[in-house]
Amino acid sequence: GDSVTQMEGPVTLSEEAFLTINCTYTATGYPSLFWYVQYPGEGLQLLLKATKADDKGSNKGFEATYRKETTSFHLEKGSVQVSDSAVYFCALSKTQGGSEKLVFGKGTKLTVNP
Amino acid sequence: GAVVSQHPSRVICKSGTSVKIECRSLDFQATTMFWYRQFPKQSLMLMATSNEGSKATYEQGVEKDKFLINHASLTLSTLTVTSAHPEDSSFYICSAPQLASTDTQYFGPGTRLTVL
Repeated sequence: GDSVTQMEGPVTLSEEAFLTINCTYTATGYPSLFWYVQYPGEGLQLLLKATKADDKGSNKGFEATYRKETTSFHLEKGSVQVSDSAVYFCALSKTQGGSEKLVFGKGTKLTVNP
Repeated sequence: GAVVSQHPSRVICKSGTSVKIECRSLDFQATTMFWYRQFPKQSLMLMATSNEGSKATYEQGVEKDKFLINHASLTLSTLTVTSAHPEDSSFYICSAPQLASTDTQYFGPGTRLTVL
């Protein structure tokens, strides 16, 4: 079945460091791909998404490119801030029974130190 | 952006009792809501799809008689954990897509259930 694999955490970086969180997927068809972020004590929020191959999603300095040939959607940010500390979830959506359903990776906890 | 609330945020109950968790879309209508369960350091696992005006659709392996779902209106879905046991202790999260963009979902903050 469809699945998402993302790099194990936790990840600890210093402020202004470069961030990469790897995400690969297995799916039939052409799913949409997402990154969600969960800040401490809050619900998941959509960070960015891409709906077709070679699309690049971007938001708040984060980017991810839908790579069909490598079935990947790696999250990157050039210079992280302390406020980026959160848990990041990679996900894909599939249509089943007429509704879109999300399949999540396990999440990667990021801690950014000043 | 759209807001989804959950109530309560945290509940502790005795084994054998039932617990109801509410999920509300505050500023949009949702004909569909999703219920997830999250174990520590694990992914969110979809439990069921709640459909307004009809029966919920449960994922394989989820007991429908244990996890009762009611989608009473376009802004409210409830999950009732019946005869709860310690193994039901978990973090329960709901989400709802806005009607106009079904592939983007808005998540509630979650409910921490602890069964003693």
